[in-house]
Amino acid sequence: AAGVIQSPRHLIKEKRETATLKCYPIPRHDTVYWYQQGPGQDPQFLISFYEKMQSDKGSIPDRFSAQQFSDYHSELNMSSLELGDSALYFCASSLEQENTEAFFGQGTRLTVV
Amino acid sequence: SQQGEEDPQALSIQEGENATMNCSYKTSINNLQWYRQNSGRGLVHLILIRSNEREKHSGRLRVTLDTSKKSSSLLITASRAADTASYFCATDATPGTYKYIFGTGTRLKVLA
Repeated sequence: AAGVIQSPRHLIKEKRETATLKCYPIPRHDTVYWYQQGPGQDPQFLISFYEKMQSDKGSIPDRFSAQQFSDYHSELNMSSLELGDSALYFCASSLEQENTEAFFGQGTRLTVV
Repeated sequence: SQQGEEDPQALSIQEGENATMNCSYKTSINNLQWYRQNSGRGLVHLILIRSNEREKHSGRLRVTLDTSKKSSSLLITASRAADTASYFCATDATPGTYKYIFGTGTRLKVLA
């Protein structure tokens, strides 16, 4: 069965650079979530989209933005990268939000040097 | 702030033993999901339990939910070395919103 696809799997950027992370949800899933997980930390909710509209926002820095496109894939744009942005970034998708499983991708490991 | 707190934070058991992990949360929920994560890898969905359910089974996994106590437990029976991972619970922190909030996780180590 198709899973959530994230690209790239690994990314190395320098401070102050920009990064774009992509997420391709499971086919027919209309809800996408983004999470950040620092070393030894639990996943922190960043932002979510339902039917291409932003639905909820968590602890996402103003330097970050995201959107969901007409084909339901999503991109997380991160600008003015800081060392502290180094983390695993996960995308998850679900079919509608209430009472359905949210499935996660393998994540993008971002290292800022 | 954390929606969920998991207990214990770390657990070490012998292969064949049962492992029980607990999760507490603060707000009312529609559902609670359990995930497994191997070190530095993706989050694997294990099971979803809805607020009107009290218990669910999936293979060697048994999940209970007590909404009056705002807590859930995950039981892994007959554990295997391959079960070594971190286990997280996640709740839809506010029903009707589009986000799941994760607990702090339990690091399980199963010794062969």
